[in-house]
Amino acid sequence: GDSVTQMEGPVTLSEEAFLTINCTYTATGYPSLFWYVQYPGEGLQLLLKATKADDKGSNKGFEATYRKETTSFHLEKGSVQVSDSAVYFCALRSNSGNTPLVFGKGTRLSVIA
Amino acid sequence: EADIYQTPRYLVIGTGKKITLECSQTMGHDKMYWYQQDPGMELHLIHYSYGVNSTEKGDLSSESTVSRIRTEHFPLTLESARPSHTSQYLCASSVPGGPYEQYFGPGTRLTVT
Repeated sequence: GDSVTQMEGPVTLSEEAFLTINCTYTATGYPSLFWYVQYPGEGLQLLLKATKADDKGSNKGFEATYRKETTSFHLEKGSVQVSDSAVYFCALRSNSGNTPLVFGKGTRLSVIA
Repeated sequence: EADIYQTPRYLVIGTGKKITLECSQTMGHDKMYWYQQDPGMELHLIHYSYGVNSTEKGDLSSESTVSRIRTEHFPLTLESARPSHTSQYLCASSVPGGPYEQYFGPGTRLTVT
């Protein structure tokens, strides 16, 4: 079945450091891909998405590019802030059926001043 | 901003009590979901619904039950709460039409003593 694998955390960075959180997927066809963010005590928020190969999703300085050849959707940000401290989830939605999103296990990011 | 609501936000209750966690959305979404989130952050799909009078069990076996009598309302019920039910419960709904991204409520943190 479909699955998402993302790098294990926790990830700790200093403010203004470069961030990469790796995400790879297994799916048939051409799934849609998502990154969600969960701040402490809250639900998940959609951060960005991409629906076809080579699409780049971006929001709030975060970017991720849909790479079909490597089945990847890595999240990047050039300069993180303390306020980016949160848990990040990679997810996919298969286009082969009417199914719920498949989530990765989440990566906790802590940014220190 | 998605309009999806969960009540209560926090609940502490004794073993053996019956509880209902409420979830409502005002967006007219057909699809709704319940997730259980463990302390390690991982999300587990426990129930979903694709419309009125439609309910399905998710990937994680759960002693809870759900109902979908109205489009906007998707309550989750535990007939007899146990300490093993202590967790964060997240409700979500998804837009009609691709790519079906999901919008999440703020969650209910349940503690069973």
